[in-house]
Amino acid sequence: GAGVSQSPSNKVTEKGKDVELRCDPISGHTALYWYRQSLGQGLEFLIYFQGNSAPDKSGLPSDRFSAERTGGSVSTLTIQRTQQEDSAVYLCASSLVGLEGPGGTQYFGPGTRLTVL
Amino acid sequence: AQSVTQLDSQVPVFEEAPVELRCNYSSSVSVYLFWYVQYPNQGLQLLLKYLSGSTLVKGINGFEAEFNKSQTSFHLRKPSVHISDTAEYFCAVSPDAGGTSYGKLTFGQGTILTVHP
Repeated sequence: GAGVSQSPSNKVTEKGKDVELRCDPISGHTALYWYRQSLGQGLEFLIYFQGNSAPDKSGLPSDRFSAERTGGSVSTLTIQRTQQEDSAVYLCASSLVGLEGPGGTQYFGPGTRLTVL
Repeated sequence: AQSVTQLDSQVPVFEEAPVELRCNYSSSVSVYLFWYVQYPNQGLQLLLKYLSGSTLVKGINGFEAEFNKSQTSFHLRKPSVHISDTAEYFCAVSPDAGGTSYGKLTFGQGTILTVHP
């Protein structure tokens, strides 16, 4: 079946511009996660959505970062006024955590490589 | 809070040799443990996970890991590696109960395994 998809695969933007990154989770998965992978910081958790609960935003690095999940499916990560340190690969994952518990396997998308010039 | 330390950033080995990738974690709560693999230019893929029960866990591609609670370790092993095992390997933990960190993965810095002919 279809896995987690992300778009665009690559995004180059100028410092100060806003960007939107999209994630389509596996159909039926109740939980959705955003992570960031960068050379200096490794893999970092950003935000977590589970069903209709309030999202866990504890990993967002600044108020320039926000995310929403519409209809319990597609999610968009928005970065406002991008900075060069935002350059990274942004990964999305989804899981059946609601059914499998917190140990439910997270399935990762291929990521969006963001380059801020 | 949780933290994960992967003791080796790079591990070079020859084909058909055994390999061990080391992972230690720190947590104030009980955790689930995971190993993910990232092949060049690909997304993250789950190798194996420990949730409960037997401390020796077998995963895909002939890998296995052993959970040692007293040493807070979850080392990954393979008795005989192949060229195709060349990839970056990430150890990760998540809390095993509810709360705001439910399901959130904390990753180590990664270990690059390079298998030479």
